[in-house]
Formats: sequence, C-alpha cells, structure tokens
Amino acid sequence: QSVLTQPPSASGTPGQTVTISCSGSSSNIGSNTVNWYQQLPGTAPKLLIYNNNQRPSGVPDRFSGSKSGTSASLAISGLQSEDEADYYCAAWGGKRGVFGGGTKLTVL
Amino acid sequence: EVQLVESGGGLVEPGGSLRLSCAASGFTFSSYAMNWVRQAPGKGLEWVSSLSSSGSSIFYADSVKGRFTISRDNARNSLYLQMNSLRAEDTAVYYCASEVIADTAYDYWGQGTLVTVSS
Repeated sequence: QSVLTQPPSASGTPGQTVTISCSGSSSNIGSNTVNWYQQLPGTAPKLLIYNNNQRPSGVPDRFSGSKSGTSASLAISGLQSEDEADYYCAAWGGKRGVFGGGTKLTVL
Repeated sequence: EVQLVESGGGLVEPGGSLRLSCAASGFTFSSYAMNWVRQAPGKGLEWVSSLSSSGSSIFYADSVKGRFTISRDNARNSLYLQMNSLRAEDTAVYYCASEVIADTAYDYWGQGTLVTVSS
C-alpha cells in the first residue's frame, strides 16, 4: 500500500490529453512539493516534473504538473506513442520520501 | 555529463549482508544530497534512504531502519548502502539518485544494481 494514491492505469489515443492524479495527505503533498517521474520499460526512472510544476531541461512542454491542497496531477497533452510508460508521483513527508504506486499509461 | 554507477549487488542468503556503492561523476558530488531508491521485481518505486551533502542528516524508510546504513565519501565521490540482516522482501533493483536540481527531486539516477535475497 503506497502512501500516495495514483490510479493503476490510464490510457489515451495519440494527440489526446491525459491526466494522472496523485492523492496524499497534509504531512506529504500538503506541506511539500510534488515531483513526477517517468519510467520506460527496462530503464531507470527519469525526473519529469519537480517543485509541482517545473520541467527539467529537455522535458517537452507537453508535460505539465499542478498541485492543490493534498493532491497533485500530471497532464500530458498531444499524447505520443513514446509516452507509453509508468508514471510515479513523489513527495517528502515526515522525514521520509514517499512515492505513489505508479500509473501505467497505455497509448491506444 | 552526470553519471551515477551502482555496483555491489548480487545473490545473498537471508540474514546476510551486502554493501552497495554508487560512483558519481560530472557534478560537484559533495554539494548535494543523495538517495537510495529500490524497485522490487514488477513493483513500484520505494524510497529507501537519504543523506545530506555533509552527511549530517540521514533518513531511512521504516522497512530498513536499523538494518541498512547509508554513508558517503565526498573525497571519493561515492555513496554507499550497507545492508545487514537481509530479508527476501529486500530483493529489488537498487538505484542511487541525486538531488541537484532541487531538494527532494531525484534528478539523476544510476542504472541500478540487482539485489536478490534467497536461499
């Protein structure tokens, strides 16, 4: 059971916009920033969004993040086949790092 | 180019010990906090431990507290994870990850090293 709650799966067709939610509590998301990671099959995770809505250099602006209260979300617009991956939200909370259980995104 | 290279994984019996290493290059290692994150086969990511740049602040997941010890050698640009009293549930790929871009954001990751705990 993960501390942060994500839907286990999401899907969309090329060009669509998909949103992945992440729910936490006052001790993690409610009091700290949220980061998002993308993990392609067989590879290490990659930082996608940090500090709720900032993109590291090289991450396309199709990826955006937001946070409100104890929840956060990742939006992927203009969905592409190469976006098919697992997505994880994460935050710091109570002297420990916490991750969501991950959302497997399928591009139909 | 930033590189993190883990080593030290392998097969160990329950109750055994293993020491993981992470060699860093391409950034000022001594200036940034470092972390270990693991992923059991077919499962999600689990944060294991964090260590501040100076080594003065250390945090552990409840699942490894008292059994794992994180440390660093800034002169050698290296991060370590000493794992004792290993259990089957510790079987996972262990990644080291840096916090260069922002606090608690794991921006650079190694390729991971597999630890298998089995008799």
